[in-house]
Amino acid sequence: DAKTTQPPSMDCAEGRAANLPCNHSTISGNEYVYWYRQIHSQGPQYIIHGLKNNETNEMASLIITEDRKSSTLILPHATLRDTAVYYCIVRVESTDKLIFGTGTRLQVFP
Amino acid sequence: DAGVIQSPRHEVTEMGQEVTLRCKPISGHNSLFWYRQTMMRGLELLIYFNNNVPIDDSGMPEDRFSAKMPNASFSTLKIQPSEPRDSAVYFCASSLHRGRDTQYFGPGTRLTVL
Repeated sequence: DAKTTQPPSMDCAEGRAANLPCNHSTISGNEYVYWYRQIHSQGPQYIIHGLKNNETNEMASLIITEDRKSSTLILPHATLRDTAVYYCIVRVESTDKLIFGTGTRLQVFP
Repeated sequence: DAGVIQSPRHEVTEMGQEVTLRCKPISGHNSLFWYRQTMMRGLELLIYFNNNVPIDDSGMPEDRFSAKMPNASFSTLKIQPSEPRDSAVYFCASSLHRGRDTQYFGPGTRLTVL
């Protein structure tokens, strides 16, 4: 089973920041938090990952709480093309598996 | 880079027929993963390979499913015989190495079994 909890859906106005929360209260010390997204009918796409420090790349920022029990993915200026299902995944230690939960369906509106 | 290539993109077959899905991973990647996505069960890992060797096939639903990786640039997922409940989108993904390397997904094969 997935070790994360995400809201099923969120809306965001185009141009505004989209903040997607994720709870992973049972995360272990060596487990990373990964974010992928899946745009309709396409394969999942990697966004970002982190262990304990905040991370930023050209797509998004990842904020992980100090106790590592939750995190937030931030899309700083959402566009219509960011409409997708966003998956928060805890990478299972000692295996290569990505266990996908149900994700958050983000709808960006004009 | 062409990314992960899957074929066919769409497959419609009748119950009882054999179905073969194909995947070409990104050149140089050593790990390959097969996933299945349905509305009911979401995205689930079926099997993965490292250096052409199957590492974990615990997600393969039953003996009707088999996967092979004869070389570093090609893998197949076969269903024989196919059943309507096998209808799903099947994704292949590859990563450079095992562990925490990013997995890159292909466009998927949409399988419909009538």
